[in-house]
Order: sequence, then C-alpha cells, then structure tokens
Amino acid sequence: DAGVTQSPTHLIKTRGQQVTLRCSPKSGHDTVSWYQQALGQGPQFIFQYYEEEERQRGNFPDRFSGHQFPNYSSELNVNALLLGDSALYLCASSYAGTQGYTFGSGTRLTVV
Amino acid sequence: QKEVEQDPGPLSVPEGAIVSLNCTYSNSAFQYFMWYRQYSRKGPELLMYTYSSGNKEDGRFTAQVDKSSKYISLFIRDSQPSDSATYLCAMKEGTQGGSEKLVFGKGMKLTVNP
Repeated sequence: DAGVTQSPTHLIKTRGQQVTLRCSPKSGHDTVSWYQQALGQGPQFIFQYYEEEERQRGNFPDRFSGHQFPNYSSELNVNALLLGDSALYLCASSYAGTQGYTFGSGTRLTVV
Repeated sequence: QKEVEQDPGPLSVPEGAIVSLNCTYSNSAFQYFMWYRQYSRKGPELLMYTYSSGNKEDGRFTAQVDKSSKYISLFIRDSQPSDSATYLCAMKEGTQGGSEKLVFGKGMKLTVNP
C-alpha cells in the first residue's frame, strides 16, 4: 500500500521564479495538508484541502496557492520565489474526521 | 509566546538509557497530542497519538499528557542507536469546527551512542 508520494524530491529555482510541487495521498485518504519546514525548525502549516476546496489556511502570503484534484492529489504553487522560501515542503494526507496524518518524504526546495 | 515550546537539544545518550522528551503548550483548545519521529532527509513518521489527558504505552515508548499543566512527555526505554532521529511534538484542536492544523514544536535531535 503506497504511502504519500511527493515530487520532485529536490528542486533548485532562481529568486522570482514560480514552482509547482505535487502530492499523491495515501490510498483511502481524501484530505491533503501542506507544511513548510525550514532547517532546524518544526513544520509550519500552509493550508489544507478537502473536497477540492481550501478548508483552512496558515499564516502564509497569497504567493502560496494550491489545488486539489478529483482523485484527491494536490499541488502547491509558489510564485515570486524569495530566498526565504528555501525549505522542505511536506505533504500530509488523512481521512476526513480522523486524526491520523501520514507525511510524505517532502520536496526540498532551494532558491538561489 | 509560541503555542508549542520544545527544547531543541541536541541530546546525546548512551545505548540503553531512558530518554525523556518534553513539550509545553499554551492553547487550552488542544485535545490531540502526537509525537513524530523524523530521520534525516525524510518526512515525519507518527510514533504516538493521545487524545486528552493520560498515559499511552507502545513497546519501549510511553506518551504522557498533563492538560492541567499543559505539558506532554515522551519516554523511550532501553534506547537503541536506531532511535537516533529528530523527535517532534505536535498538537491539534479537538473542538467541532476547530482548527485542522497540526502545530509542531521545534524538534529535539536525539543521538543514541552504541
């Protein structure tokens, strides 16, 4: 049974560019959350998607946007990249109404 | 004041030692308490999950929640070199219509030396 799959695993972008990260949730899960983890820090909540809608958003600027598709997979888009956006981006999936969150291995984004 | 505070360490112990990891929190709406283990270059893996107050044991791991003190702990008995990782506490509100986000501590890097 495949867990949460994220792609790509690593990415290097130039300041000002745009990036799209992808996530396939664990089989049977319908809710996807995205987190940003800076080096030496705990993950910070970006937003959560359920039924193709953004259900909740953390304290991140509008440059961060997302989408959930009918098959429950999700994308995270970041526009106008800043050096400070360099981090590990984690996707977590769950089944609505339960508390079991499964994390992927993340996409490591480096902005130069 | 941060919602969740965790001593970032690092912590280094000999094999076989008992390890105690702790977090404090300020949000009284937190009802779900979790401990995640994160190996280098990997995503967090759920170790222990507790609802409300009390103790929960799973093999060498014991999680404790004291809601009156807003304090949670993870104990690791007979620690092994394979336990070397970063340990993150995480919490979530439990109220109907409450926040869906997990709020994490900063993480404690543990090294168990053979």
